[in-house]
Formats: sequence, structure tokens, C-alpha cells
Amino acid sequence: SSELTQDPAVSVALRQTVRITCQGDSLRSYSANWYQQKPGQAPVLVIYGKNNRPSGIPDRFSGSSSGNTASLTITGAQAEDEADYYCNSRDSSGNLYVFGTGTKVTVL
Amino acid sequence: QVHLVESGGGVVQPGRSLRLSCVVSEFTFSNYAMHWVRQAPGKGLEWVAVIWYDGTNKYYAESVKGRFTISRDNSKNTLYLQMNSLRAEDTAVYYCAREILVVTAIFDYWGQGTLVTVSS
Repeated sequence: SSELTQDPAVSVALRQTVRITCQGDSLRSYSANWYQQKPGQAPVLVIYGKNNRPSGIPDRFSGSSSGNTASLTITGAQAEDEADYYCNSRDSSGNLYVFGTGTKVTVL
Repeated sequence: QVHLVESGGGVVQPGRSLRLSCVVSEFTFSNYAMHWVRQAPGKGLEWVAVIWYDGTNKYYAESVKGRFTISRDNSKNTLYLQMNSLRAEDTAVYYCAREILVVTAIFDYWGQGTLVTVSS
């Protein structure tokens, strides 16, 4: 199975921009999706496919990808964006699934 | 409003079994692949298993293969996870999640989770 690697933690000043990356071989073949998880809550889908937002997700969240790396960008971070963020995708076999290691975002 | 509600968690001794359920509502259950995803205390998300919309295909993470069985009853709008030979490392919150379209890995709805603690 494949691995998806994320930086463990990043911080961003209020209303500034932060980019979270997700690296893995399977991303050369399959798109990454992004989830936000706040303490004690279930994950919430924030970006899927190349750059699609589910209904209700603010447009300050955007996604991109290049080669084996996918990115989630928060433009103009808000206090409520402080959370853990996970990428996921299919693994290299195509039949299994994998989550990234997760990134804790702190808004200063 | 789509709802997924897990149940069946609890404290169980190592080597014993437990069956989790996930009852869904407000969508056509039989049209969607469904997953179990778990999260150990203080750790990240780990994908566990998937079952296709009609139950014809099932796949498992290596960590649970041969011990866990995913199944579904489309007439009851219910997803199951039979967990056998439980180990301490299976201790986690278990979430069920809907995949928006099979093999996209897009999990658009999640339950609130049920906690499984494996301890003697």
C-alpha cells in the first residue's frame, strides 16, 4: 500500500494564507481529497478532486496538485479554521484507500 | 438531511469479538459504496474497509485483513463491521462514511463514530 505524507503542524497568522501539502506516489495516478477535523468531531470534506468545494465550504479553501504532491490552501485564515487536516486518495493498487498523516493548523 | 449513526462500540478483552453497525437515513443506501475508517486516541485517520454498493466487492487494510469483515443489509439501510481476534492496537473511534462515487475516495458524509476499547 502507499503512504501519503503531510507536515505534522503549521501555523498561520489570522487572515493570512497557509498551504498544506500531501505527498505520495499514488497521487501521480489518483486525485487527493481533503478533510477538516476539529477536536471531538468527525472529519468534514472540504476539497475533493482537483479543486471542488462541497456546499457550505467557504471559498477561502482551495486545492491544487502537481506530480506526486497535492496542496490545500487557506486564503485569509479564520480562527475557526484551526483544526487537523487530512488528505486521502486511493493507493497505488487502486483497490485500497489511504489517508495522509495529518497536519495540525494553528491560527495565531 | 443525510444521517449515519454508528453503534456497537464498547470495552472488549483482547482476542474477543465485536460487531459495529451503522444505520443510515435520507439517502438511497443501495447506491453507494460505504467505508469504515478508524482513529486511535490522539492519532490520525486510518482507512479500514470498503464494501461496494451491492456488496459484490470488499477490500480491507492489511492491518485488519483476515480478522475484520465488512457487510451490509441494503433492506435495512445498515452497514456492519464484524471484528474478530481483537488486539489492543484496534482501540479507536470507528467511523462509517459514504463514498460519493465508488473509487473516487471522496467521503462526503460521516457518522459521529463509536469508540472501541480493547483491554483486559
